[in-house]
Amino acid sequence: DARVTQTPRHKVTEMGQEVTMRCQPILGHNTVFWYRQTMMQGLELLAYFRNRAPLDDSGMPKDRFSAEMPDATLATLKIQPSEPRDSAVYFCASGPYRVGRTEAFFGQGTRLTVV
Amino acid sequence: AQTVTQSQPEMSVQEAETVTLSCTYDTSESDYYLFWYKQPPSRQMILVIRQEAYKQQNATENRFSVNFQKAAKSFSLKISDSQLGDAAMYFCAYRSAKLGSGGGADGLTFGKGTHLIIQP
Repeated sequence: DARVTQTPRHKVTEMGQEVTMRCQPILGHNTVFWYRQTMMQGLELLAYFRNRAPLDDSGMPKDRFSAEMPDATLATLKIQPSEPRDSAVYFCASGPYRVGRTEAFFGQGTRLTVV
Repeated sequence: AQTVTQSQPEMSVQEAETVTLSCTYDTSESDYYLFWYKQPPSRQMILVIRQEAYKQQNATENRFSVNFQKAAKSFSLKISDSQLGDAAMYFCAYRSAKLGSGGGADGLTFGKGTHLIIQP
C-alpha cells in the first residue's frame, strides 16, 4: 500500500531552535509539495519540486524556511530559527503529475508546536 | 489568482440522510481540476472525488457525487446515505490544468473547509 510518509508526527520545540521535517514520497511520483495548515490561514502551499528540482517556493518565508530534495526518496523542510507563529501542521504530498494524472496524495502531517 | 470559497463552516446531518456541501471558486482559466478532500480527526487528507472542468458529466464515487456548474463556478459535493465514518472536515480544492513550470500552478488552492457532523 503506497503512501507518503512524514516524520516526525509531532514535534515540540523551543523558539529559536532548528526544526527539520522529513517526507518520503510515493515511489515513482515526480512532484512533491509542502503545505502548511493553520486555523487562521487554512491550507497553504509553501513549496514544491518536480523531478527533485525546486519549481516554486513563493509561499515560504525565505529568511527562515528552506526546502530541499536531496534524492528522489527524501524531501526536507527546515525552519531555522523557529518562532511560535510557525506552529502548524505541515503536510507533504506527492503526485505523478503528468497529463491525465493530477491527484496529490498526502502524508499524515507533522504537527509542530513552537513554545 | 484563484480563490475557493466554502460558505458553510459546519453542517450537520442525520445518519442515512443526504447532505450537500457547497463550494464556489473564481478563476480566469478555462481548463482546470476540482477536488474534494476529506480530513478526519486523524489529520490524514483523503481524496474523495475529482472533476475535470472539460468534462460535462458529473463525477461519482459510490455514495459521493458532485454537481459541477462551470458557468456558475460552483462545485458541490453530495453525500448520500451518510455514515458515521463520514464525519470529518471537507475541503474543496482547485488546480490549474496546465503542468506549469512554477508560480504555484501545480499546487492546490483550498477552501477553508466545512466541518461535517453526522448525528446517529
